Order: sequence, then structure tokens, then C-alpha cells
Amino acid sequence: DGGITQSPKYLFRKEGQNVTLSCEQNLNHDAMYWYRQDPGQGLRLIYYSQIVNDFQKGDIAEGYSVSREKKESFPLTVTSAQKNPTAFYLCASSIGGTSGSTSTDTQYFGPGTRLTVL
Amino acid sequence: AQKVTQAQTEISVVEKEDVTLDCVYETRDTTYYLFWYKQPPSGELVFLIRRNSFDEQNEISGRYSWNFQKSTSSFNFTITASQVVDSAVYFCALSELKYGNKLVFGAGTILRVKS
Repeated sequence: DGGITQSPKYLFRKEGQNVTLSCEQNLNHDAMYWYRQDPGQGLRLIYYSQIVNDFQKGDIAEGYSVSREKKESFPLTVTSAQKNPTAFYLCASSIGGTSGSTSTDTQYFGPGTRLTVL
Repeated sequence: AQKVTQAQTEISVVEKEDVTLDCVYETRDTTYYLFWYKQPPSGELVFLIRRNSFDEQNEISGRYSWNFQKSTSSFNFTITASQVVDSAVYFCALSELKYGNKLVFGAGTILRVKS
């Protein structure tokens, strides 16, 4: 089945620890995204990547880092610098491609990872 | 600036009732895209519809319909004959072409359908 997988589903972290959330897709999409969702709020963009070995900060990138070494993988690291990391994290992908696109792709989402800081 | 407002925080209906979820957006761009996503209790966002700013034709898909009106900057979503399985959080989102594929989400509307 084609789709987006995220692991783990639940993650617990002690204060001061870095943790890495996994996101894998087998849709052959070029673009991938990370969002954060807090209770009662919409999703906010953390980082996005239009193509392998390239990524850009979103609206709330502070305290997070990413890498994009492979097309199908876009891991997110929540660092100890993130002051309030407890949230639901969603990964998405879209067909994407090179810059200068004349339209917006539809983003498809994974099942999410719920991170709790103890 | 991009902004999406979903003024209805929570709506409760009884099964078989029709329900409309409101979405109002703000944009200065002439080329933009609007989306609706459903988030069931499992948490995954499910894509429902994508509409570009040049296509104001309303769309119907089974019990779902969408009313896009540029004059009022609204993109409302109606579920006809609601079912318990429609219970979820529904998000409206906006993307402006000049910002590429960056989505701006509304806060979401919780829909509870009671049997």
C-alpha cells in the first residue's frame, strides 16, 4: 500500500532530551512537511522540504531540526531548546517538484506522533 | 496576509440532520487554493477537496457539498443527512501560489453527530 508512515505513535520524553520523529513515504513525492497541532488549534508548519538535500523553515522552526537525505524520509528532531514540545506532530507529503510551480499540490498526511514531555 | 477563520468551534447535530461548516479566508493574492480536511479521532488528516481561486463552481460529492463564494471570501462545507461516522474535526486551509505549497489552517470545527 502506498502511503505515509510515522513512528512512533506515542513518544514520551524527559525534559532536556532530544527526540527524533520518523516520517517515511512511498508515494514517490518530492515534497515533505512537518506540522505541529496543539489542542483547539489548527496545524502550524515547522519545516518543509521541496526536494532531497534541501529544506526550509516554516512558521515555528525554533527548537526543531530536520534532514532530507533520502526522498522517502524526512525525520524531525525535537531538541531541548523547544520550550513546549508536548503536541501532536503530523507529517505530510505532496508531489512537489522544482520551484516555479504554477499550482499548489495537495498534501497528504500521515497518522501522526503524539509527543509528551514528562 | 493569509488567514483562515472557522468561527464555529463546535457543532452538535442529530443523525440525518444537514450541517454546514463555515470557512472565511483572507488573502491579497489572486491565485490561491482552498482545502478541506477531516480529522477523525484516530488523528490522521484526510483530504476532502481542493479548489483553486478561478473555479467558483460548487461541488458535490455524495453527501458532501462545497459552496465557494469569492465575493464573501467563503468556502463553506455542507454535509447532508449527517451520520455518526461524520463526527470529526474539520479543517479549512488556504495556500497562496506565491508562497508555494505552504498551507495556512483554520482552527478547526469539531462536529459531533449523535444517534
